[in-house]
Amino acid sequence: DAGITQSPRHKVTETGTPVTLRCHQTENHRYMYWYRQDPGHGLRLIHYSYGVKDTDKGEVSDGYSVSRSKTEDFLLTLESATSSQTSVYFCAISPGLAGGMDTQYFGPGTRLTVL
Amino acid sequence: QQQVKQSPQSLIVQKGGISIINCAYENTAFDYFPWYQQFPGKGPALLIAIRPDVSEKKEGRFTISFNKSAKQFSLHIMDSQPGDSATYFCAARETSGSRLTFGEGTQLTVNP
Repeated sequence: DAGITQSPRHKVTETGTPVTLRCHQTENHRYMYWYRQDPGHGLRLIHYSYGVKDTDKGEVSDGYSVSRSKTEDFLLTLESATSSQTSVYFCAISPGLAGGMDTQYFGPGTRLTVL
Repeated sequence: QQQVKQSPQSLIVQKGGISIINCAYENTAFDYFPWYQQFPGKGPALLIAIRPDVSEKKEGRFTISFNKSAKQFSLHIMDSQPGDSATYFCAARETSGSRLTFGEGTQLTVNP
């Protein structure tokens, strides 16, 4: 999984509780991404980062926040988890090659269940 | 709004057959089209990718066909094997950015 780890790998939580998922990379890639995967929807981008402290929203960012204080770590926080946020969450990284076929490499995923 | 439409949702093929998965897009600013393969319990992994300046790219048994005027591209898996059974995602990226937009995915089953 291209030097990407996600923690925890599985989590069950209750509605209304805060949850933080961590993505850690050892590739020194500039870009990091958080996706959620749901049946029938493919992979949808939540937030992404193009450098330390530089982040932007994706297509399904409501209810999520992110932080990147170091190149290697990208945190996804659900401030108050809801059942609609039950999903499999993937972190991805890419070097950010200008003008080229910049490849995104995915982590192993975190399965989150909100009861 | 789904900017990349993928079909079929599921596909069953006999061993040795050809698997074909299709994708269509609307955004003419897309300039990079990768396909990802995902096995159960794993993250997606890049399989093959194409830029719109070529109409076809082949890597082993996997071929991308690209039709710029129709805004469609497809993945062909020749001599399909049971080990190819996985979920396949097409994706597209805009010229100006790094973000990928993914299709809904196709679950491929290759029967022995």
